[in-house]
Amino acid sequence: NAGVTQTPKFQVLKTGQSMTLQCAQDMNHEYMSWYRQDPGMGLRLIHYSVGAGITDQGEVPNGYNVSRSTTEDFPLRLLSAAPSQTSVYFCASRYGQGGGYTFGSGTRLTVV
Amino acid sequence: AQSVTQPDIHITVSEGASLELRCNYSYGATPYLFWYVQSPGQGLQLLLKYFSGDTLVQGIKGFEAEFKRSQSSFNLRKPSVHWSDAAEYFCAVQAPYSGGGADGLTFGKGTHLIIQP
Repeated sequence: NAGVTQTPKFQVLKTGQSMTLQCAQDMNHEYMSWYRQDPGMGLRLIHYSVGAGITDQGEVPNGYNVSRSTTEDFPLRLLSAAPSQTSVYFCASRYGQGGGYTFGSGTRLTVV
Repeated sequence: AQSVTQPDIHITVSEGASLELRCNYSYGATPYLFWYVQSPGQGLQLLLKYFSGDTLVQGIKGFEAEFKRSQSSFNLRKPSVHWSDAAEYFCAVQAPYSGGGADGLTFGKGTHLIIQP
């Protein structure tokens, strides 16, 4: 049981490049979400999904896209990376009401 | 919109002393409440959660938290801290289930716990 798996763990991008942060869970969780963590800011919700085919925006969605074609996977896409997107990104999932979120180990992204 | 305040950015505690980390939330109803811990370079681990019922919640690693509706607070406590408790602690809230729609956590900015020998 791997839990929530995020890849890659580290990434350096140049401004304007695109990339996809991968998130996969093997717990059959309905709910998945993406957060970014910046120093002194805590974690902020980017996008979330309440099931396959259903996604919505969180607090800081600008510059990010998501899709949820399967229960297991919830990739986060940066279409045109900007230095302001330098951050640590966490993916999380939970089963349903009454369940706490399980977090992945994070992706540290640097945009130069 | 919901919000979470952790008033203490840093707290220093001597090993073996008691600990209380403060958390206040702003929300129209009683949200679901969580405490997470993050060690350096690691992901977040759930310490405990409150959904309803008994307002004193027991968690892992000897932590407990008390929900006080009148104060909109959910403070985390531990009777005796160990050096391994040094970490970042986050309080978070989630809107209670309303039949679908919104999801996700709103976090406080965190409290950095330093343990003195």
